[in-house]
Amino acid sequence: SQQGEEDPQALSIQEGENATMNCSYKTSINNLQWYRQNSGRGLVHLILIRSNEREKHSGRLRVTLDTSKKSSSLLITASRAADTASYFCATANFGNEKLTFGTGTRLTIIP
Amino acid sequence: NAGVMQNPRHLVRRRGQEARLRCSPMKGHSHVYWYRQLPEEGLKFMVYLQKENIIDESGMPKERFSAEFPKEGPSILRIQQVVRGDSAAYFCASSRGGTEKLFFGSGTQLSVL
Repeated sequence: SQQGEEDPQALSIQEGENATMNCSYKTSINNLQWYRQNSGRGLVHLILIRSNEREKHSGRLRVTLDTSKKSSSLLITASRAADTASYFCATANFGNEKLTFGTGTRLTIIP
Repeated sequence: NAGVMQNPRHLVRRRGQEARLRCSPMKGHSHVYWYRQLPEEGLKFMVYLQKENIIDESGMPKERFSAEFPKEGPSILRIQQVVRGDSAAYFCASSRGGTEKLFFGSGTQLSVL
């Protein structure tokens, strides 16, 4: 079954604006990760947040995690055309050695 | 320091033929994962292997699909008697251990005619 569901499915914003994507999941997790996929390519790991963390930063990325609501958000600040891609959240459950991916948000940055 | 290598990049098969997809993990990685992606969808887990062992194959169809990761050589995902519904992008990922950061290959796009 699909663990993560991203929202929105698609997002278009002007270059320089901030982009926010959300992810909801169903079961308890060990950690939650965000990946980026450029068209026709493999996924690239962006950031990981553990279940005991609430917020994490990496460059222009900010991730939050609310385990009580079983949700996470990814914020990309000062967006660039090169940020155009699909973004996926993925969850790792305790004792379950696999990542379960969500359905993704397709982000388009308009120059 | 090569990343995860998948080949072929594109594979065309007629219905009933066999498809063999190869994945060489990153150097030093002994854990391999296979995922399938349909257009405009997320990745669906298929199988998780360590050297010579299948750890979790809960996402693999029971028939026609098999995977291996031998002591020497790449991991192989094998699909026998392919059908049109098998058409998809198949991605391989590797890690040193655990799922804290997976490194993905560029995928094999399988088209079944």
